[in-house]
Amino acid sequence: EDQVTQSPEALRLQEGESSSLNCSYTVSGLRGLFWYRQDPGKGPEFLFTLYSAGEEKEKERLKATLTKKESFLHITAPKPEDSATYLCAVQAGSNSGYALNFGKGTSLLVTP
Amino acid sequence: DGGITQSPKYLFRKEGQNVTLSCEQNLNHDAMYWYRQDPGQGLRLIYYSQIVNDFQKGDIAEGYSVSREKKESFPLTVTSAQKNPTAFYLCASTPRGADTQYFGPGTRLTVL
Repeated sequence: EDQVTQSPEALRLQEGESSSLNCSYTVSGLRGLFWYRQDPGKGPEFLFTLYSAGEEKEKERLKATLTKKESFLHITAPKPEDSATYLCAVQAGSNSGYALNFGKGTSLLVTP
Repeated sequence: DGGITQSPKYLFRKEGQNVTLSCEQNLNHDAMYWYRQDPGQGLRLIYYSQIVNDFQKGDIAEGYSVSREKKESFPLTVTSAQKNPTAFYLCASTPRGADTQYFGPGTRLTVL
């Protein structure tokens, strides 16, 4: 059975204090690993897709990396507006029409 | 403007009543999905549809029903058989040949 585990559950950072969020996964035949940002009461906003180990993608202060067992979302010099819940999801083969299997998320709070 | 719309944003119903949540997209996406989100839980797949007039059950389909009569629309009915319907419901869609799912703003259903 596919499993996605995110850690930590919650993270509090000072503005400018860099850190990483972890997403470990077990899946049969990884098709893709996805990162989303979700603000309270809103739908998830797509950030990145990673397809193979060693791949990296960047967007502003965020960088996502992928290994065979886990993915990291690195946040460099975060700002208060980066506060949100970050969701990781895996997509495996053609089962369930390529639906996503989500972790529970990491709730990030960045204080001034 | 292109996008995915869900209505209403908030919905209140009495226990025992059926209720239908709307999901519409004008992105010409082929696949559409319904997820449920509960506090402290990852998103869970309810139903998905890859083409018009065809849909499949996800992991937690019991107590729910869907239809896909038009490419643009994928309504979800929460029936009285759903034992714990209070949740945040998210609709997503994916273009043909792509992997990334794009989410709507969500509907928060509260059953009193």
